[in-house]
Amino acid sequence: SAVISQKPSRDICQRGTSLTIQCQVDSQVTMMFWYRQQPGQSLTLIATANQGSEATYESGFVIDKFPISRPNLTFSTLTVSNMSPEDSSIYLCSVEEPGSTGELFFGEGSRLTVL
Amino acid sequence: QKEVEQNSGPLSVPEGAIASLNCTYSDRVSQSFFWYRQYSGKSPELIMSIYSNGDKEDGRFTAQLNKASQYVSLLIRDSQPSDSATYLCAVHQSQGNLIFGKGTKLSVKP
Repeated sequence: SAVISQKPSRDICQRGTSLTIQCQVDSQVTMMFWYRQQPGQSLTLIATANQGSEATYESGFVIDKFPISRPNLTFSTLTVSNMSPEDSSIYLCSVEEPGSTGELFFGEGSRLTVL
Repeated sequence: QKEVEQNSGPLSVPEGAIASLNCTYSDRVSQSFFWYRQYSGKSPELIMSIYSNGDKEDGRFTAQLNKASQYVSLLIRDSQPSDSATYLCAVHQSQGNLIFGKGTKLSVKP
């Protein structure tokens, strides 16, 4: 399966600041997704990162808060803007490889703590 | 709203026993189903996929699917302490993403 690298792996941030998380894949993939996992909770889809066009956001998530870029088939970024303590979560990049039957593979995650 | 339901546990089994994890889903048109294992502090790892009604075996793991009942299960035979983790049931959506259940925490006692 594809190797998915996320940076940073963890960070401690101040309220009101923004942080950009990078996701790099070692092969071209069609579908890339960003998930959030709040403490003790399961995974919630934030958005689908579309190559060359605007991301598709799930209900409850907006572009102003979570801007996403996807300049090519191997790279995406997620920015968490104007952070509050409620944004403290693990953010996970995931990909569906070409020819797959629906399974997703995940990066190591980025654990953000907002003070 | 499409949902995936799992018992949160914790499910505790003795070493060597069979662990049985269950999942129900609401979207009748779903065709692909997955089980992920997540160790504490780690990202989810795919362990099983199933697409057709019936059983699918892979080593100590057996996935079972019943589309009529909208039910998926995972059996872990000869459970080991290293199997202690949270198991997430996931259902594929037409947009390509997965919807996840809240996960069942499994504890295997030596």
